[in-house]
Amino acid sequence: GAGVSQTPSNKVTEKGKYVELRCDPISGHTALYWYRQSLGQGPEFLIYFQGTGAADDSGLPNDRFFAVRPEGSVSTLKIQRTERGDSAMYLCASSLQTGGISGELFFGEGSRLTVL
Amino acid sequence: GENVEQHPSTLSVQEGDSAVIKCTYSDSASNYFPWYKQELGKRPQLIIDIRSNVGEKKDQRIAVTLNKTAKHFSLHITETQPEDSAVYFCAASPGDSSYKLIFGSGTRLLVRP
Repeated sequence: GAGVSQTPSNKVTEKGKYVELRCDPISGHTALYWYRQSLGQGPEFLIYFQGTGAADDSGLPNDRFFAVRPEGSVSTLKIQRTERGDSAMYLCASSLQTGGISGELFFGEGSRLTVL
Repeated sequence: GENVEQHPSTLSVQEGDSAVIKCTYSDSASNYFPWYKQELGKRPQLIIDIRSNVGEKKDQRIAVTLNKTAKHFSLHITETQPEDSAVYFCAASPGDSSYKLIFGSGTRLLVRP
């Protein structure tokens, strides 16, 4: 597609449930990021993939959060035993950037997660 | 690690006036400073960026200035229009992990017609 695609756009779940959020980056972009944005705040870094590997997962809040990108394209963010505090907009972004050089991030529309 | 502070949190201006948003950063090794615009319910989109080897950059009505000594950078929008109304985020790229961005908390700009 032309841009970064994220599904679902909205997810409502109950506390304790498991959730998967999917991101399809721009074709050819090797760098992929997950950010979390709470209401009234800026995006907060979660994890960075360069190709298939998670080069930096230092932003994941705890071990309930995990992300994969098995073929170097689509990525899935997985959240186990969801808590009300996980409620936020989860943004995925991709970039042409390689070699650790910063550049423009292209964001998706986000997946809004609500944990009841 | 890198910390980015952004002010003001809200800004209301009359159409045609200028708007200035300021950010400070803590990591002196940071070398890339983009600005993103996020309209209500939409994705953040890059509007302008500057690297540490440049002091100022302009693109039509938008300009960004960088003061490396003071570790602050600013976004300037001239001749504001109602369609400029949005939330603006500054960001900085840490020196030891230049692939990622640390964002400020955002400025909600309202341009009154």
